[in-house]
Amino acid sequence: EPEVTQTPSHQVTQMGQEVILRCVPISNHLYFYWYRQILGQKVEFLVSFYNNEISEKSEIFDDQFSVERPDGSNFTLKIRSTKLEDSAMYFCASSDGGAQQPQHFGDGTRLSIL
Amino acid sequence: GQSLEQPSEVTAVEGAIVQINCTYQTSGFYGLSWYQQHDGGAPTFLSYNALDGLEETGRFSSFLSRSDSYGYLLLQELQMKDSASYFCAVRSNYQLIWGAGTKLIIKP
Repeated sequence: EPEVTQTPSHQVTQMGQEVILRCVPISNHLYFYWYRQILGQKVEFLVSFYNNEISEKSEIFDDQFSVERPDGSNFTLKIRSTKLEDSAMYFCASSDGGAQQPQHFGDGTRLSIL
Repeated sequence: GQSLEQPSEVTAVEGAIVQINCTYQTSGFYGLSWYQQHDGGAPTFLSYNALDGLEETGRFSSFLSRSDSYGYLLLQELQMKDSASYFCAVRSNYQLIWGAGTKLIIKP
């Protein structure tokens, strides 16, 4: 069964540095998402992406964050000037349609900011 | 504000049936999803209800009442591998708005 793949599985970074989290969505999917989950807390929506542009973003997704689809297969989340509170599990998801279609999640990248 | 309420923890015995309830209050609503998450793992899609009624997928069923802003996930013939956290999530426009999750503890 097709999967969403994320790399790296674990990223350790010094505070203030930039990180790029990578995702390969399911190949025929058109909608892409980033979520984060702070340890022990619920999943929080960051951003959705469709047709090469952001379709929706949350209050969390401020100027520190950006997303890009650099080619036909990858979908990246860039976090600039990382802070301690950015430490979380970051999940990428994709779906092949709009609101009626389920979102399929990758295994996540655990981001640890030191 | 937007909120989803579900019990924090439910305990059941192997082989039994358990129901996890979810009530929601959101500004937009396209449907209610359920996800399973094992410790340290990714959320795995279980079911989606856009219309009122019951959806059945094997041992799992999900119900939605839009007039009551309420849904539930029903797990039958519980197995030890079903021990996980279960999240309800409302599809609101493009995003999923998540509940805090219900930890299901299964005893032999």
